[in-house]
Amino acid sequence: NFMLTQPHSVSESPGKTASISCTRSSGSIASNYVQWFQQRPGSAPTTVIYENYQRPSGVPDRFSGSIDSSSNSASLTISGLRPEDEADYYCQSYDSTDHLVFGGGTRLTVL
Amino acid sequence: EVQLLESGGGFVQPGGSLRLSCAASGLTFSMYAMTWVRQAPGKGLEWVSSITFSGGDTYYADSVKGRFTISRDSFTKTVYLQLNNLRAEDTAAYYCVKHNGRLIYVGVDLWGQGTLVTVSS
Repeated sequence: NFMLTQPHSVSESPGKTASISCTRSSGSIASNYVQWFQQRPGSAPTTVIYENYQRPSGVPDRFSGSIDSSSNSASLTISGLRPEDEADYYCQSYDSTDHLVFGGGTRLTVL
Repeated sequence: EVQLLESGGGFVQPGGSLRLSCAASGLTFSMYAMTWVRQAPGKGLEWVSSITFSGGDTYYADSVKGRFTISRDSFTKTVYLQLNNLRAEDTAAYYCVKHNGRLIYVGVDLWGQGTLVTVSS
C-alpha cells in the first residue's frame, strides 16, 4: 500500500494564495483520482475538490486542484484567502483494491 | 436539496453492537457508491467501509473486517453499517459519504453530518 503525506501546517495572510501538497509514497499520483476535503473546527468535512480538479456546486473558484507527476503529488490551491478558509484540509485517493487512503491533514491558518 | 443524514450512534460497552443508518435525499440513490469514514477524537479521517451502487461489492478496512458489515436498501435510500464486537478504539464520529458514480474509485462529493459512537465501560 502507499501513504499520502501532507504538511502538518500552512500559514498565509488574508488575500494571499496558499498551496497544500499531498505526496504519494509509491505508485503514480495520476493513477487514481485525488479528492480534497475541508473541515472547519467542530464541523463535518466537506468536499472542495473531487476527481483531481472538479469543484462541487457551491465551492468558489478560489479553490483549485492539480496533479504533478514529476513530484508525484497533488496540490490544493486557495487564492484570495479569507478568514473562513481557516480549517483542516485532507487529501484522499485510492489504492489498487479500491480502498480509500487519506492524508494526515493540514491545518491552514489565515493570519 | 441533496442530503445525507446519519443516525444510530450512541454509547455502548466494549463487545456491544450498534447499527448506523444514513438516509439519502434529493438524489437517485441507486446510482451511487457509498462509503463510511470515521474520525476519532482529535485525529484524522479513516476509511471504514464502502459499497458499490448495487450492493454487489463491499470493502472493509483491516481494522474492522469481520466485525462491521455494510449494506444498502434502494427502496428506503439508506446505507447501513452494522458494528459488532465494538472496541474502545472504535470510538469516533462516523460519516456517510457519497461517491460521484457507481463504483468506489470515482470521487467523493458529498458528506453527511456524522453520528458519534462512544465505546466505553
